[in-house]
Amino acid sequence: AQKVTQAQTEISVVEKEDVTLDCVYETRDTTYYLFWYKQPPSGELVFLIRRNSFDEQNEISGRYSWNFQKSTSSFNFTITASQVVDSAVYFCVLGGSQGNLIFGKGTKLSVKP
Amino acid sequence: DGGITQSPKYLFRKEGQNVTLSCEQNLNHDAMYWYRQDPGQGLRLIYYSQIVNDFQKGDIAEGYSVSREKKESFPLTVTSAQKNPTAFYLCASSIDRGGTRRNEQFFGPGTRLTVL
Repeated sequence: AQKVTQAQTEISVVEKEDVTLDCVYETRDTTYYLFWYKQPPSGELVFLIRRNSFDEQNEISGRYSWNFQKSTSSFNFTITASQVVDSAVYFCVLGGSQGNLIFGKGTKLSVKP
Repeated sequence: DGGITQSPKYLFRKEGQNVTLSCEQNLNHDAMYWYRQDPGQGLRLIYYSQIVNDFQKGDIAEGYSVSREKKESFPLTVTSAQKNPTAFYLCASSIDRGGTRRNEQFFGPGTRLTVL
C-alpha cells in the first residue's frame, strides 16, 4: 500500500522562527518520487520540490530546505526564518504507480507577526 | 500565459441536479486529473486521463463522470448519485502520461461546489 503521513495537523510559529514539517511515507516501489506542495488560502496548489528515491542529497532553496532519509522513509521540510507569507497548508505527496499523486492530509502552518 | 483554468470558481447546486465543472489547459500536457478536497483533508483522486478519449477511475469515482474529447479539456460532471458533493474540486495536468511518476502536476485554481 502507498501512504503518506503528516502527523502535524497544525503548527503555529512567530515570524523569524524556524519550523520543520514532518512527512513519513510508505511504498513498496523501489523507484518513487516525492513532492511538496503549498496551498495558500486562495486554494491553488503550488509545486515546491520533487525528489526521486535515488537522490538522498538534501536540497536548499532560499529559506526552504528538504531532508530526505530513505532509511526512515521520511521527507521533512524546513522553513528558516519564517514569514507571514509562508502561512499555508503544506502537503507531502508520493508519486503513485498510475501517475497520480497520493497526498498526506497536510499541515497547516500559521506564521504570526 | 500557459496554465490551467477552472470555471466557475464558486458553484451552487440544488440537490438532485447534475452539474459540470470545466477544466482547460494550454500547457500541451497529455495527462489530466480531477481531485476532490474536503476540509482538513488532502486531495483524493476522482478520475484521470492519460490520453484523449481515454480515462480511468480514481479512488472515489462513484457519482462522477468525465470526458476527454480534446487534449486541452477534461470536464467533470457531478451527478445526482454523488451522496455528498459539497467540496473543493481541483483539476491538474502533467506533461507525461501516467506511469512516469517523476512529473509534477500543475493545478488549476479550483472550483468550490456547494449543494443547497
